Amino acid sequence: QKEVEQNSGPLSVPEGAIASLNCTYSDRVSQSFFWYRQYSGKSPELIMSIYSNGDKEDGRFTAQLNKASQYVSLLIRDSQPSDSATYLCAVNTQRTSYDKVIFGPGTSLSVIP
Amino acid sequence: GAVVSQHPSRVICKSGTSVKIECRSLDFQATTMFWYRQFPKQSLMLMATSNEGSKATYEQGVEKDKFLINHASLTLSTLTVTSAHPEDSSFYICSASDLAGGRRQYFGPGTRLTVT
Repeated sequence: QKEVEQNSGPLSVPEGAIASLNCTYSDRVSQSFFWYRQYSGKSPELIMSIYSNGDKEDGRFTAQLNKASQYVSLLIRDSQPSDSATYLCAVNTQRTSYDKVIFGPGTSLSVIP
Repeated sequence: GAVVSQHPSRVICKSGTSVKIECRSLDFQATTMFWYRQFPKQSLMLMATSNEGSKATYEQGVEKDKFLINHASLTLSTLTVTSAHPEDSSFYICSASDLAGGRRQYFGPGTRLTVT
């Protein structure tokens, strides 16, 4: 089982719709969860971080975390064509004496005007 | 947010030569720096984690003698690709964290390496 899994997509939504991105992880002791957006040829940029169960909202973005189900999601409301990118789920996991962040394979989102 | 720079942004080199990539945290002290590699249409693959003043920890399958990492100060880490080959052509991205354990990472803009 891969440590962080995402649907690769592509996920296509019409402009103005809600885009829903999902992520599951295997390490039960993970404490920190992140969503990054990556445009083609660019490095990732942090959109959201979430550390406790429930919802966290920031503008058009809402991150949801369910540690019991080992599931984290990202909702994008009122999707815009500029939201078209690859979205990477990242999970902090502990390795012996240090922590590191593991990235999922990413979900490609296309917002159709 | 915090700023991380990388230099060069693009480099083309001949097979067999070595290339050094610099990663700098410009406005904070980076306790931990990470080096990633990303091939086209693939996700980020962590190559190694380095803490200032200590040896880097390499991920399984990454040759430490080929990818030399130096984290000499809290603001600078370098990755040297030695004896580069065309299969080393990739997008190399560094990130830095000012928290122990790297829970929040700030990414550099990446370096596009092409080996001919």
